[in-house]
Amino acid sequence: GEDVEQSLFLSVREGDSSVINCTYTDSSSTYLYWYKQEPGAGLQLLTYIFSNMDMKQDQRLTVLLNKKDKHLSLRIADTQTGDSAIYFCAESNNYGQNFVFGPGTRLSVLP
Amino acid sequence: NAGVTQTPKFQVLKTGQSMTLQCAQDMNHEYMSWYRQDPGMGLRLIHYSVGAGITDQGEVPNGYNVSRSTTEDFPLRLLSAAPSQTSVYFCASSRAGGTEAFFGQGTRLTVV
Repeated sequence: GEDVEQSLFLSVREGDSSVINCTYTDSSSTYLYWYKQEPGAGLQLLTYIFSNMDMKQDQRLTVLLNKKDKHLSLRIADTQTGDSAIYFCAESNNYGQNFVFGPGTRLSVLP
Repeated sequence: NAGVTQTPKFQVLKTGQSMTLQCAQDMNHEYMSWYRQDPGMGLRLIHYSVGAGITDQGEVPNGYNVSRSTTEDFPLRLLSAAPSQTSVYFCASSRAGGTEAFFGQGTRLTVV
């Protein structure tokens, strides 16, 4: 079946850029997503990218997609302490339904 | 709009007890789904529904039942709780053909 992999932990200094990486196996994915989960909270959609795009930028967030290698990354510029959270990569082959999630990357931002 | 509302937020059950996790959305979304979140495993799809009266199994359906009698509600039933069902449960909804799913705040369930 489909699989999504992420590294589990990332630590960065405040003000630096964070890059969270993700690989997936389903070549029929239509959309790829990044969700953020703060402690004790639900999932908040950060951004998504359609599978025929290479890059999407939204303020401090940049998503890069390498479809050939099935590799997705999320770059957060000027990382702040409020960015500390778990970031989930997810893919869907049915337009925002039936997601397959990665295990989540816990981002810690050090002062 | 309240979005996706899940109740209860916390629940402790004894092994063998039954209960229903409630999920309601007020966005008139056709699609609703249930996920469970376990440490180091991300979220896994339990059951989903593409509209009232239609449900189907996801990746980990065993031990759970669902029904969809209205567009707004999608309850998840545990018929005989087991410790392996200790998890955080999330309900999500989305519009047919839409790109974004909206998640509830989660229900933290502990089975002892």
